Amino acid sequence: KAGVTQTPRYLIKTRGQQVTLSCSPISGHRSVSWYQQTPGQGLQFLFEYFSETQRNKGNFPGRFSGRQFSNSRSEMNVSTLELGDSALYLCASSPELGESSYEQYFGPGTRLTVT
Amino acid sequence: AQTVTQSQPEMSVQEAETVTLSCTYDTSESNYYLFWYKQPPSRQMILVIRQEAYKQQNATENRFSVNFQKAAKSFSLKISDSQLGDTAMYFCASLSGGYQKVTFGTGTKLQVIP
Repeated sequence: KAGVTQTPRYLIKTRGQQVTLSCSPISGHRSVSWYQQTPGQGLQFLFEYFSETQRNKGNFPGRFSGRQFSNSRSEMNVSTLELGDSALYLCASSPELGESSYEQYFGPGTRLTVT
Repeated sequence: AQTVTQSQPEMSVQEAETVTLSCTYDTSESNYYLFWYKQPPSRQMILVIRQEAYKQQNATENRFSVNFQKAAKSFSLKISDSQLGDTAMYFCASLSGGYQKVTFGTGTKLQVIP
């Protein structure tokens, strides 16, 4: 099976702009989670989607939003970008079934730089 | 709320030796899962090992094993016969309360020295 894919891999944006990141989970996985990774704050949970519904949300401002499509692909959007949004954004998918139901499989990430 | 603490920011080990990475956690849930993830330099995060809280037996995956002390809320990772490819950031993580909201520790940077 193909792994989790994220596009684009690298992105440079200017303060005030908005950005959309995409994640395609492993085939058959219905849960998709998003994380922000920075040197200062480490890995922080953004939100999680399952069957097109947001089930969990972390402590991020409303500028961060996401959605999931019927094919389980997910997008996250950040509006009015700030310098502090520069980070590696990781997507992870989970099968939610069987023995591996709570294991998360990560994509390579999207490196966002805000200037 | 869940918290995960890794008190060793950096560690090093000689190739072929054994190293133990520490992790403590806190959760009010009775049912939870614990994980160790590995993030090699410029490569993606991969799951190393997982432990279900209700299982008393410590998990083992080849050269990787855990010491799960439930009462002490401790979950350490032992890497035996360390290899150069084990050089990476290692994150301890917990999941409780259902769904997929995982809490990560701050990570331990492990360097395997030839």
